[in-house]
Amino acid sequence: NAGVTQTPKFRILKIGQSMTLQCTQDMNHNYMYWYRQDPGMGLKLIYYSVGAGITDKGEVPNGYNVSRSTTEDFPLRLELAAPSQTSVYFCATQPPGSPSPLHFGNGTRLTVT
Amino acid sequence: TQLLEQSPQFLSIQEGENLTVYCNSSSVFSSLQWYRQEPGEGPVLLVTVVTGGEVKKLKRLTFQFGDARKDSSLHITAAQPGDTGLYLCAGGRGGSNYKLTFGKGTLLTVNP
Repeated sequence: NAGVTQTPKFRILKIGQSMTLQCTQDMNHNYMYWYRQDPGMGLKLIYYSVGAGITDKGEVPNGYNVSRSTTEDFPLRLELAAPSQTSVYFCATQPPGSPSPLHFGNGTRLTVT
Repeated sequence: TQLLEQSPQFLSIQEGENLTVYCNSSSVFSSLQWYRQEPGEGPVLLVTVVTGGEVKKLKRLTFQFGDARKDSSLHITAAQPGDTGLYLCAGGRGGSNYKLTFGKGTLLTVNP
């Protein structure tokens, strides 16, 4: 099983451009998350979803949008990229039960110049 | 906002030394998870603790959850270069364990 797959691994954007970070999972987990990781700042939750058709804002949602049309896919959309969005982005899934572990992808490193 | 403070932020030691990293909060958590992250990869779960005072061992790693469930520690005995990585603690609340709160992490380097 592939687990959680994120694409692309790296991307450079110019200010004002848009892009979609892809996340797909083959574990049939309902819960999915998008985090950003900045040096020395840990992981900040951007958006999360508890199932297909349901999404909600996390701690730092501004400048981002998400959709969840299927259980497998949870894309993160950046509109009008800004330098402050330079970061490493991680998608994660979580199986049912409490507590349960997060399963992370290997991240997308995004640079906005 | 619930905060998890990790210390130290950076730690560089020689192979064979022992070390302890800490994860502290003023809030009570129902569970505490520890993750290790290696460069270019996502975090991977090491352990989950749920009971105040609980101690769990994973080979040379010992995890403890504070009696009041506000703090946790990770002790590594005889560190090896393969232990190098970013150690993150994450606290969960209530019956639903989503929206974990993450600490900022401790970056450990073990030199051969």
